Amino acid sequence: QQQVKQSPQSLIVQKGGISIINCAYENTAFDYFPWYQQFPGKGPALLIAIRPDVSEKKEGRFTISFNKSAKQFSLHIMDSQPGDSATYFCAASKGGNTPLVFGKGTRLSVIA
Amino acid sequence: DSGVTQTPKHLITATGQRVTLRCSPRSGDLSVYWYQQSLDQGLQFLIQYYNGEERAKGNILERFSAQQFPDLHSELNLSSLELGDSALYFCASSRSPVLGEQFFGPGTRLTVL
Repeated sequence: QQQVKQSPQSLIVQKGGISIINCAYENTAFDYFPWYQQFPGKGPALLIAIRPDVSEKKEGRFTISFNKSAKQFSLHIMDSQPGDSATYFCAASKGGNTPLVFGKGTRLSVIA
Repeated sequence: DSGVTQTPKHLITATGQRVTLRCSPRSGDLSVYWYQQSLDQGLQFLIQYYNGEERAKGNILERFSAQQFPDLHSELNLSSLELGDSALYFCASSRSPVLGEQFFGPGTRLTVL
C-alpha cells in the first residue's frame, strides 16, 4: 500500500518555465509535508515543508500548495533553471520525531 | 552540507557477509533515522532511535539491526547479506519534537556481489 503517491515520474521543462510535481496522501494523521531535492550521488536535501494549517508556503522560487480536503499537495518551481535538474521527493509524517513516508520521486530535467 | 556524516561512503562485499554502517547526527540532534533507497522500492524507512532508545521500526529485515550509542552516533548492522540488499543507506537526524525536520547524510552505497 503506497501511502504517498507522486506524479509524474519524470518531467522535462524549458529553462524559465514552471515545474509542477504533485503528491497525494491517504493517511489523515499525516501532519507534516516536506519536499526533498536529491542530486546524483548525494543525500536528499530538505527543500521546503508545509503543515496542514496553511494552504500555501513560498520560499524563493519554490512554492508548496496544499489542499487538505483533497489530501493533495504540490511543488511549484518558478523560473526553472538547469541547476534545478534533480530528483524531487515528496514525503509525509505524523509530525514531531516520526518517520517520513516518501513518494517514489520525480526526475526533473530543465533544458536550455 | 547537512551536518550529518556517514561512513563508509562505499562498501563492496560478498553474499553472506556482515557489514556495519556508521552515522553521526548533527550536533544536538537526539533522533536518528535509517532509510534504504533502492531503484524498485524508493526511499523506505528502516528504524529510528531517540536518545539511545529504539523509537520506531519500519520495513527492517530481521537480518538487520541498529543501535544508538551514548554519544548519539548510530550504527546499522546488516548480516547474512543477499544480492537484494545492494542499495543506498541513508541516515537522517532531527532535533525538533514539533517541526519534525529531518536532515540526511550523504549515504553509504552498499554493493553485495
